Amino acid sequence: EAGVTQSPTHLIKTRGQQATLRCSPISGHTSVYWYQQALGLGLQFLLWYDEGEERNRGNFPPRFSGRQFPNYSSELNVNALELEDSALYLCASSLGTGTTDTQYFGPGTRLTVL
Amino acid sequence: GQNIDQPTEMTATEGAIVQINCTYQTSGFNGLFWYQQHAGEAPTFLSYNVLDGLEEKGRFSSFLSRSKGYSYLLLKELQMKDSASYLCAVVPPTGGGNKLTFGTGTQLKVEL
Repeated sequence: EAGVTQSPTHLIKTRGQQATLRCSPISGHTSVYWYQQALGLGLQFLLWYDEGEERNRGNFPPRFSGRQFPNYSSELNVNALELEDSALYLCASSLGTGTTDTQYFGPGTRLTVL
Repeated sequence: GQNIDQPTEMTATEGAIVQINCTYQTSGFNGLFWYQQHAGEAPTFLSYNVLDGLEEKGRFSSFLSRSKGYSYLLLKELQMKDSASYLCAVVPPTGGGNKLTFGTGTQLKVEL
């Protein structure tokens, strides 16, 4: 069974640009989560999508947004990039929507903002 | 609010036993996950505890004390491949929006 996949692996942008990151969940999983892992910090929750709708949002500004498509894949968009947005962005998926459902992670997209 | 503490780094010898601690102070609690993350790779699920006590799974065991806000991951018969970062994550109560709160991770180095 294929795991969670993310693309691209690495992304280099300059300040002010926009970045688009993509995630495909494990087959059969309907919930997708996005986390930011900045250097020296723990994973910070960004967004949770289920059945095409945003279910929860972390403490991030509105320039972090995303969506979930009918095939349950998801996209994270970061507008007006700032240097501190440089981080590893991890996507996870879960089979159900319960809080205790295990979240399975993808390998991440390394975003570098110059 | 949520506050989760783990040691930043630990070093242990191949074949030994190591215990990685995680303490938490949270406004709600519905269990705790442990994940392993090798450098440049995805975090992988190790264990989930919601009841007090020890859960054993091969070389890895995880313990939880809800009254003390404390968990640990025990790794036995350490192997070089166990060198990785170990992340604990607190699960919010039902209705908490599935927002896992992670500690900063403990970087374990296994030496010969």
